[in-house]
Amino acid sequence: DTAVSQTPKYLVTQMGNDKSIKCEQNLGHDTMYWYKQDSKKFLKIMFSYNNKELIINETVPNRFSPKSPDKAHLNLHINSLELGDSAVYFCASSLTGNQPQHFGDGTRLSIL
Amino acid sequence: RKEVEQDPGPFNVPEGATVAFNCTYSNSASQSFFWYRQDCRKEPKLLMSVYSSGNEDGRFTAQLNRASQYISLLIRDSKLSDSATYLCVVTYNTDKLIFGTGTRLQVFP
Repeated sequence: DTAVSQTPKYLVTQMGNDKSIKCEQNLGHDTMYWYKQDSKKFLKIMFSYNNKELIINETVPNRFSPKSPDKAHLNLHINSLELGDSAVYFCASSLTGNQPQHFGDGTRLSIL
Repeated sequence: RKEVEQDPGPFNVPEGATVAFNCTYSNSASQSFFWYRQDCRKEPKLLMSVYSSGNEDGRFTAQLNRASQYISLLIRDSKLSDSATYLCVVTYNTDKLIFGTGTRLQVFP
């Protein structure tokens, strides 16, 4: 049973399009996250939600909008995709803040 | 100065060798510390938490030095399957983990 699952696994699309990535966790965790890992492999947090409430919003273009319909889901919508958005996006969850995080498999986003 | 710094490597070691990685952090208010492992094209996975008194899990030993603001990971009797990138992770605020850029380990036969 997958603990943190995100879809799609691969996303290839053109500049200017709008796309969404979905994430779900079945661990009963309160906190969920989105990370971006770029070509240099640096893993950087984008957003964190605790029980549907936005906790962390790093310096991310406002083309990126997270949505948490309930504490088990955290989706990421991206408007007007740009070449620099190409990266692997990881969803993660943890029981509470400061606790170890469980990661999804990642979504490999490629912008043409 | 970066919040969490690691030597990117790669560390190339033969099977059976002992290898150690260090990681330094800049914020003295840091609260929790972890080592994660990331295989190529895979997600990061928790390897072990790091406790103040140091802790061991099989061939892996983690140490924390708060005075000098670094954590370390020691791997004994390296296996081919230990080849991966090891990420140092530090928290200092609720809900925010800061990842280092990782140290790449390559174990050869």
